Amino acid sequence: DTGVSQNPRHKITKRGQNVTFRCDPISEHNRLYWYRQTLGQGPEFLTYFQNEAQLEKSRLLSDRFSAERPKGSFSTLEIQRTEQGDSAMYLCASDTFTDTQYFGPGTRLTVL
Amino acid sequence: DQQVKQNSPSLSVQEGRISILNCDYTNSMFDYFLWYKKYPAEGPTFLISISSIKDKNEDGRFTVFLNKSAKHLSLHIVPSQPGDSAVYFCAASPRTAGNKLTFGGGTRVLVKP
Repeated sequence: DTGVSQNPRHKITKRGQNVTFRCDPISEHNRLYWYRQTLGQGPEFLTYFQNEAQLEKSRLLSDRFSAERPKGSFSTLEIQRTEQGDSAMYLCASDTFTDTQYFGPGTRLTVL
Repeated sequence: DQQVKQNSPSLSVQEGRISILNCDYTNSMFDYFLWYKKYPAEGPTFLISISSIKDKNEDGRFTVFLNKSAKHLSLHIVPSQPGDSAVYFCAASPRTAGNKLTFGGGTRVLVKP
């Protein structure tokens, strides 16, 4: 296992379109996190899963955002009706209770 | 409200000298602290962490110090190398509550040869 992977690495879309990102965590990690990072800022927490259960969502996660982790393995983050303000780096991370949180390379979203 | 702050947006240091990065937090529930390093267009890379039961943790060239009474931590890199040039983020979590990380705004470090 080589770490957390994310696809796609880059996504350019037009305002109003829907986009979906995928995250594959480290295989033995049962917790998975999504963060968003905008230019000049640190990553901000969006949501996290323990196995398939979504245990917490940030107020940053508007109704247009939805995340799933259907079998407790990979996760998807969907943004509906994208807006220019959604342009950011979307980061996925995973860990267990006793392990450090490791991040994937991120998906850079640009909304035109 | 910013619960984790890195007040120095940038730092320039000569190769071989010490880099000191600072971080302040306000939330008393934070009991686990981490430093990550980030290159452009990549995800954060874990460097070192410290639990609130300790006041110092070392790993090679990296040492993190925690002052709980002052709600302050620092990262020392010695000796600094040109490859250390990156943005460094301090992060904190209440580890028993899902380990959700709260990040500072980052400090850009430039190590000059």
